[in-house]
Amino acid sequence: GEDVEQSLFLSVREGDSSVINCTYTDSSSTYLYWYKQEPGAGLQLLTYIFSNMDMKQDQRLTVLLNKKDKHLSLRIADTQTGDSAIYFCAERFSGGYNKLIFGAGTRLAVHP
Amino acid sequence: NAGVTQTPKFQVLKTGQSMTLLCAQDMNHEYMSWYRQDPGMGLRLIHYSVGAGITDQGEVPNGYNVSRSTTEDFPLRLLSAAPSQTSVYFCASSYSFPDRGSNTGELFFGEGSRLTVL
Repeated sequence: GEDVEQSLFLSVREGDSSVINCTYTDSSSTYLYWYKQEPGAGLQLLTYIFSNMDMKQDQRLTVLLNKKDKHLSLRIADTQTGDSAIYFCAERFSGGYNKLIFGAGTRLAVHP
Repeated sequence: NAGVTQTPKFQVLKTGQSMTLLCAQDMNHEYMSWYRQDPGMGLRLIHYSVGAGITDQGEVPNGYNVSRSTTEDFPLRLLSAAPSQTSVYFCASSYSFPDRGSNTGELFFGEGSRLTVL
């Protein structure tokens, strides 16, 4: 069945890089996403990657996709306190429409 | 644009009571969905709709009903609330696939409704 797994917590020092990892199961997923949730708010799309890409870079964010291992990662360079949030990995269900399957979310804590 | 609007933001119910969580979007999205968020479990899909008059079940549909009489609105009904339904509920919408107007498949989320069942 569909399943997306992520570690639940990550703590980094301000200025360091953060790497959040995710594994997914549906090899035919066409889109993979990273969403960010700040305290008390809904989720907002941070970035996404098409399944025919290996890497995508967007300012401080780098997404790496290993299709063979079904592994997705999000790297945040020069992590700031404003990056503290929960980060969700999601895959688009290949069965159609825009049904997304989410991981449990990784809580990123940035400390001085 | 208001985006996705959910009401109420907070609600406390007693076991056995019924209520409706409202969701409205003004982006002309065909696809609308309800998720619940629980600690350590992420977001789980309750019900979704790909257009007016069409609804389908997600991962955890039991105890919830939905309807989609208009493109804009997608209410979630709890017929007899149980403590296990204590959660934060999110409504989300998007263009259907194949995407129209946007090719990212992005889901737009409301701010959430926090429900406590005593």
